[in-house]
Amino acid sequence: DTGVSQDPRHKITKRGQNVTFRCDPISEHNRLYWYRQTLGQGPEFLTYFQNEAQLEKSRLLSDRFSAERPKGSFSTLEIQRTEQGDSAMYLCASSPRQGWDEQFFGPGTRLTVL
Amino acid sequence: AQSVTQPDIHITVSEGASLELRCNYSYGATPYLFWYVQSPGQGLQLLLKYFSGDTLVQGIKGFEAEFKRSQSSFNLRKPSVHWSDAAEYFCAVGAGNQFYFGTGTSLTVIP
Repeated sequence: DTGVSQDPRHKITKRGQNVTFRCDPISEHNRLYWYRQTLGQGPEFLTYFQNEAQLEKSRLLSDRFSAERPKGSFSTLEIQRTEQGDSAMYLCASSPRQGWDEQFFGPGTRLTVL
Repeated sequence: AQSVTQPDIHITVSEGASLELRCNYSYGATPYLFWYVQSPGQGLQLLLKYFSGDTLVQGIKGFEAEFKRSQSSFNLRKPSVHWSDAAEYFCAVGAGNQFYFGTGTSLTVIP
């Protein structure tokens, strides 16, 4: 399967713990995006990368959130000192071109903070 | 502020009936417009997109959408719905350096 993959698919953690999610985009896709989706809502844009450069961060991305794409391939999203409000599905997507175009989404990582 | 509005939270249609899902956006210029579908246990999949040109765009699975600048709308249509179309539908907008999804419309198809 050459689609976008995310790991883990599910994560349960206790409040205050740090968690890290990984996203592997489709090979040679320059753009990589992170979203958060809660039940009954549409995905909320968090951040995106053009190759290894982080071009935009939403105001939703508090200081506890950090994302990296060190070599322009896979990306990680870390949440420090998790809170119950962080419980959500975290989606990753990639696209092959600059500008807004079709995004290919991964299956998501479901985070539950107890 | 930019926003995407999908006024219908849930729609029920009979199989074979026509469908229209509404989407309105708020943005100063013409944004990039998209419709995505999310089925249970499936990832989001692009149905169609509009960047410029012909305001009626065709997508996959028999869907089409029409961009109306005067109404700031990008409504999704399908002439005859199939049971497999039951899913969550999201309108989305690329504007500036941000990307916005609507809250979604859940479609139920009854036999």
